[in-house]
Amino acid sequence: EPEVTQTPSHQVTQMGQEVILRCVPISNHLYFYWYRQILGQKVEFLVSFYNNEISEKSEIFDDQFSVERPDGSNFTLKIRSTKLEDSAMYFCASSGTSGYNEQFFGPGTRLTVL
Amino acid sequence: AQSVSQHNHHVILSEAASLELGCNYSYGGTVNLFWYVQYPGQHLQLLLKYFSGDPLVKGIKGFEAEFIKSKFSFNLRKPSVQWSDTAEYFCAVNAILYGNNRLAFGKGNQVVVIP
Repeated sequence: EPEVTQTPSHQVTQMGQEVILRCVPISNHLYFYWYRQILGQKVEFLVSFYNNEISEKSEIFDDQFSVERPDGSNFTLKIRSTKLEDSAMYFCASSGTSGYNEQFFGPGTRLTVL
Repeated sequence: AQSVSQHNHHVILSEAASLELGCNYSYGGTVNLFWYVQYPGQHLQLLLKYFSGDPLVKGIKGFEAEFIKSKFSFNLRKPSVQWSDTAEYFCAVNAILYGNNRLAFGKGNQVVVIP
């Protein structure tokens, strides 16, 4: 069964450093998403991506964040200068031919900012 | 903005007991509704979904949910739980008339089933 994969599973970084979180969505999906979950809080939407551009972003997704689909398979989330409050679990998701279909989630990357 | 409420964050029950988890959302327009489950050490998986039609939807592993539009609710039920149902359960809502496809999640219910 096809699934969304994410690497690394755990990333530790120093405050102010740049991190790139990687995701490989399901191959025939067209919509891609990033969510995050700070420990003890809700899963929060960050950004959605379709047709090689951002289709929607939340208020959390400020200038420190960017997304890219550098090739036909990867979908990345970059945080330019990490802050302590960026520590969270980051989930990638993808959905098929409609953005209103169910979203399939990856296992997540736990980001720890020291 | 959409908001989703799940109460009773921690639920402990014995095998064969019945389970009901509440989910209420704030958006008054047309919605797509989902329940996701996260088993220990695993990723979020879709349990069931409601887009339209019969408000009683059946999902995997014997779970079902009922959409009550007048109550803005989408409660999850299982008549008889098993130890393997120990997991965290998340309700999620997509308010499609906003023209976006973001999911708004509830805070989750941590369910522990005692053998």
